[in-house]
Amino acid sequence: SQTIHQWPATLVQPVGSPLSLECTVEGTSNPNLYWYRQAAGRGLQLLFYSVGIGQISSEVPQNLSASRPQDRQFILSSKKLLLSDSGFYLCAWSPDLGRYNEQFFGPGTRLTVL
Amino acid sequence: AQSVSQHNHHVILSEAASLELGCNYSYGGTVNLFWYVQYPGQHLQLLLKYFSGDPLVKGIKGFEAEFIKSKFSFNLRKPSVQWSDTAEYFCAVMGAGGFKTIFGAGTRLFVKA
Repeated sequence: SQTIHQWPATLVQPVGSPLSLECTVEGTSNPNLYWYRQAAGRGLQLLFYSVGIGQISSEVPQNLSASRPQDRQFILSSKKLLLSDSGFYLCAWSPDLGRYNEQFFGPGTRLTVL
Repeated sequence: AQSVSQHNHHVILSEAASLELGCNYSYGGTVNLFWYVQYPGQHLQLLLKYFSGDPLVKGIKGFEAEFIKSKFSFNLRKPSVQWSDTAEYFCAVMGAGGFKTIFGAGTRLFVKA
């Protein structure tokens, strides 16, 4: 069966510090991968998605970037964190482009920028 | 612009009460529709989905949703809620064959025992 991992689970970082959040998927190949930010009362905001290694699409201009160095690895980064980057970050995967496009979510990372 | 609107942000019910959570979407084309649920301390997970066919779809734990194309709605229902249904519920829409899923703001349901 497929599983999705995210780490760390929680993170407290000072303003201006770098960020690296990692997401890995097991038990499938060539998944579509997604990064979301979840804010209370505002649902899930899609940040980035990827349909293959090295292929990243950005949905919202911001202080963050994403990379996909391996088929089942998706990384969310920042060079200098802002206070507004605080939030709950979710990684998700979906099987493919076609019919079976429900998404499966990881446990999330709670990021607090001080 | 594509959007999803959930009518209620917070709902409080007593056990055995009936539930209906409203969801309306704005999207110009064929859509896939989803309800996701996040129980306290758990991952966000799929509750049910509509791709095509019968507009009344059934999901896990006795939930169902009806797709009404003319109203751009996909309301979630359950005849009798349980305390264990306490969770946050998200309606979502994806263009058929696409990548992007647009989520609603979520509805927090609290069921009193």
